[in-house]
Amino acid sequence: NAGVTQTPKFRILKIGQSMTLQCTQDMNHNYMYWYRQDPGMGLKLIYYSVGAGITDKGEVPNGYNVSRSTTEDFPLRLELAAPSQTSVYFCASSNESPRETQYFGPGTRLLVL
Amino acid sequence: KQEVTQIPAALSVPEGENLVLNCSFTDSAIYNLQWFRQDPGKGLTSLLLIQSSQREQTSGRLNASLDKSSGRSTLYIAASQPGDSATYLCAVPSGGSYIPTFGRGTSLIVHP
Repeated sequence: NAGVTQTPKFRILKIGQSMTLQCTQDMNHNYMYWYRQDPGMGLKLIYYSVGAGITDKGEVPNGYNVSRSTTEDFPLRLELAAPSQTSVYFCASSNESPRETQYFGPGTRLLVL
Repeated sequence: KQEVTQIPAALSVPEGENLVLNCSFTDSAIYNLQWFRQDPGKGLTSLLLIQSSQREQTSGRLNASLDKSSGRSTLYIAASQPGDSATYLCAVPSGGSYIPTFGRGTSLIVHP
């Protein structure tokens, strides 16, 4: 049982480049989330999904896109990278139940230069 | 919109002390409250989850309490150890949602 996996672990992008951050979970969770964490700050929600084919914006969605074609995968797309997107990105998943916690991936560290 | 505040922002204590970390939230219509631990350069690990109908949860040396009416939760760490050094985050959903809002965390250092 791998839980939540993220790739890559670290990436350097030039301004204007594009990339996709991958996230996969093997727990058959309905809910999946993308967060960004800047130094000294809490996690800010970028996008979330409550099931395959359903996505919605979080607190800071500008500059990002997501898709959810399967229950397992929830990729995050950066179309035109900007220095403000330098951050650590975390993917998480959970079930729709107050009794169940979120499970987090190890994170992707992104540097935009 | 749910707002979550954690106090103190940072804490440095000698080994063996008992600690209290605080979390306050503005919207009390919640399903649950979670406490997470984050080690430097790592992801988040769930420590305790308290459902809205519960008053507290315990796991080993950790005890978390929840007072929905006052919008507060505390994480009590007994007999702290250097291995407890990490950032502790509180996460609370907004009313009617399972989507949690995170506090900025309390950075804890326990020195030998």
